[in-house]
Amino acid sequence: TQLLEQSPQFLSIQEGENLTVYCNSSSVFSSLQWYRQEPGEGPVLLVTVVTGGEVKKLKRLTFQFGDARKDSSLHITAAQPGDTGLYLCAGARTYKYIFGTGTRLKVLA
Amino acid sequence: NAGVTQTPKFQVLKTGQSMTLQCAQDMNHNSMYWYRQDPGMGLRLIYYSASEGTTDKGEVPNGYNVSRLNKREFSLRLESAAPSQTSVYFCASSGTSGGDLVQYFGPGTRLTVT
Repeated sequence: TQLLEQSPQFLSIQEGENLTVYCNSSSVFSSLQWYRQEPGEGPVLLVTVVTGGEVKKLKRLTFQFGDARKDSSLHITAAQPGDTGLYLCAGARTYKYIFGTGTRLKVLA
Repeated sequence: NAGVTQTPKFQVLKTGQSMTLQCAQDMNHNSMYWYRQDPGMGLRLIYYSASEGTTDKGEVPNGYNVSRLNKREFSLRLESAAPSQTSVYFCASSGTSGGDLVQYFGPGTRLTVT
């Protein structure tokens, strides 16, 4: 059972465009994390959000945790080719993490 | 500071063979995890260890066993490999850093079972 749905699954955009990736669940999580994974490597943690409604910024990336702690979004402003990769969200629940299926982003120069 | 290390990086097994994947972390984290990643399936939790001396099943434990050897090391064993276990295996450790929950992954083991 996939508890975390990510959308879109694939996204191909031009350099300089903005985009938003969504991570949705019917379950509540104690915290939610976003990762980026490049081919042949393990996922790398970008951010952890804990409080409902929390917004965190990491340079051109903005992360938001839903008020009910069931969903999250990742917004990238002025995407660059270096943003290309697989973006994964993961919900934490009592020592365990549930991962979404991922959004594969390609940014074209 | 190496973070999370895994060995081997690549492995080819024949059906029925056994092997152990090794994982070690140097961040003094209590929790460690084994995941598998298959195309279109995301990361699925096989087993986890919330602390030294404890292990628990994740989403897809069948065909695997684990050992939390000490706080640093967490190994995954395939007793009798099957083609369905062809996958990329990631070990991870989790703790807190600056008040935030963090999870760090190893580079992965690419396993093919023929």
